Amino acid sequence: NAGVTQTPKFRVLKTGQSMTLLCAQDMNHEYMYWYRQDPGMGLRLIHYSVGEGTTAKGEVPDGYNVSRLKKQNFLLGLESAAPSQTSVYFCASSTPDRVNEQFFGPGTRLTVL
Amino acid sequence: EDKVVQSPLSLVVHEGDTVTLNCSYEVTNFRSLLWYKQEKKAPTFLFMLTSSGIEKKSGRLSSILDKKELFSILNITATQTGDSAIYLCAVESSGNQFYFGTGTSLTVIP
Repeated sequence: NAGVTQTPKFRVLKTGQSMTLLCAQDMNHEYMYWYRQDPGMGLRLIHYSVGEGTTAKGEVPDGYNVSRLKKQNFLLGLESAAPSQTSVYFCASSTPDRVNEQFFGPGTRLTVL
Repeated sequence: EDKVVQSPLSLVVHEGDTVTLNCSYEVTNFRSLLWYKQEKKAPTFLFMLTSSGIEKKSGRLSSILDKKELFSILNITATQTGDSAIYLCAVESSGNQFYFGTGTSLTVIP
């Protein structure tokens, strides 16, 4: 099992460009999450999903959109990137009965110039 | 405002030392407190605590939650170089919201 994978691993964008980060998990987990991690701020929840076709906002959802068309995939989109979105993005997944035992992907380092 | 505060920010110890990492929180609708270990990349789950008491992961790691005083500590005894990592504390509140602290960076010197 690959666990949780994220693509791409690194990306550099110019202000105003758009992109999509892909998260995939092969553990048949219902719940999936997107976090960003910034120095001095810790991990902050952007959006999460409790199942295929459902999404909900986390602590810092502005400037991001998400979609969960398939159970195994959770996409994070930036429609118009801003330098404030420079961060390391982590995806995670869990089962409903152990939502706090989240399995994290390796992260995507995004730089917006 | 919900928040989780960890201390110290960083710690350097020698192999064999015992360390205590602190986590205090102010989170409405508390459901559980979590500890994760982050080495180079992805955090990995260590503990979940839901009620005041002690939860042990392995013989060297243990954690205590005090829901009255709103804090938790993570103890690591007989530290090894493999314990070097960032230790993250997080609190789950209702509605699948998770609040993480900024972490404590632990370095264990041989």
